[in-house]
Amino acid sequence: GQQVMQIPQYQHVQEGEDFTTYCNSSTTLSNIQWYKQRPGGHPVFLIQLVKSGEVKKQKRLTFQFGEAKKNSSLHITATQTTDVGTYFCAGPKTGANNLFFGTGTRLTVIP
Amino acid sequence: EAGVAQSPRYKIIEKRQSVAFWCNPISGHATLYWYQQILGQGPKLLIQFQNNGVVDDSQLPKDRFSAERLKGVDSTLKIQPAKLEDSAVYLCASSLDPVHYGYTFGSGTRLTVV
Repeated sequence: GQQVMQIPQYQHVQEGEDFTTYCNSSTTLSNIQWYKQRPGGHPVFLIQLVKSGEVKKQKRLTFQFGEAKKNSSLHITATQTTDVGTYFCAGPKTGANNLFFGTGTRLTVIP
Repeated sequence: EAGVAQSPRYKIIEKRQSVAFWCNPISGHATLYWYQQILGQGPKLLIQFQNNGVVDDSQLPKDRFSAERLKGVDSTLKIQPAKLEDSAVYLCASSLDPVHYGYTFGSGTRLTVV
């Protein structure tokens, strides 16, 4: 069945270090979305990527969609304690217009 | 704009009891979703509504879970009877257009079955 895997599952970084999470889909995706979920909170939409090879930036966050549209990455430059949370990628479920969420990467930032 | 409203925020029940969750999506959002999020995992779709019709309920355990969206606005999700493995956060989300826009999630209902 459809799978969306993220690595690493957990990441601890010192405040100020960079962080990257990778998302790999078993199927080609028409688009990919990224969400952030703070501890005890709910997922919050960050961004959507649609084009092959697309790169988008939001302040310290850089999102990339792979050329084959089967993988994506989120890079955070100079992490801050406010970046703490779990980052999920999500792609359209095969044959449907709803989202299939990845396994998530939990980021801990050590002050 | 107001967000997605969910209630209750927390619920503790014994196994074999029944429970219901309520969701009020963002005004104008035709698409409504219920997701189940087990601790440490990503959200898993239970059911998707477009207005008051079901679009996808392929992963809904229909022997114990039911959902409805009367009048195409509010929605309720029910579990009867509950099992221990139903302990999870139940997230409601809505979207203006699932193809071009992200979801807006509610705060969720944390269910504990004991």
